[in-house]
Amino acid sequence: GQQVMQIPQYQHVQEGEDFTTYCNSSTTLSNIQWYKQRPGGHPVFLIQLVKSGEVKKQKRLTFQFGEAKKNSSLHITATQTTDVGTYFCAGPGNKLVFGAGTILRVKS
Amino acid sequence: DAGVTQSPTHLIKTRGQQVTLRCSPKSGHDTVSWYQQALGQGPQFIFQYYEEEERQRGNFPDRFSGHQFPNYSSELNVNALLLGDSALYLCASSLAWSGNTGELFFGEGSRLTVL
Repeated sequence: GQQVMQIPQYQHVQEGEDFTTYCNSSTTLSNIQWYKQRPGGHPVFLIQLVKSGEVKKQKRLTFQFGEAKKNSSLHITATQTTDVGTYFCAGPGNKLVFGAGTILRVKS
Repeated sequence: DAGVTQSPTHLIKTRGQQVTLRCSPKSGHDTVSWYQQALGQGPQFIFQYYEEEERQRGNFPDRFSGHQFPNYSSELNVNALLLGDSALYLCASSLAWSGNTGELFFGEGSRLTVL
């Protein structure tokens, strides 16, 4: 079955540093979604990527979808304490397949 | 506009017992999916309901069952609880017409502890 792998599992950065998490699928994805889950909270939708090579930006967040549509990345520029949480990528379909997530901690 | 609501928020059960969790989808949504999230893991798909029928199912045993009501709300039932069923159970709603491209709206979850 489809699997979605995320790296790294955990990253601890100094406030102001950049952060990147990577997502790799065992199969070609028709689309990919990204979610953020704050500590003690629930996943919240961030964005969906559909096209090969697509790049989307949301303020300090940049999302990329690979040319082969088998990988994706989320890059945060100049992290802030409000960025703390777990970032998940999720494969497509009516039953989303989530990666294990990358936990981001930010030191102020 | 109410989002996805789940109840109860926390509950404690003992092994062998049964539990029912409830979910009301976001207003206007007709599809409800259930996920299990163990500590430190990503959400795992249990099943999805649309038009009061189970449409898709993940890799979960028959001890996990569900129901959807005419008002689109849903229940998740787990029988013969095991210690390993301890997790956060998340309900997510969406629109059926969006197929596999629509975002999921998650509730706050029900945290189940099995002793």
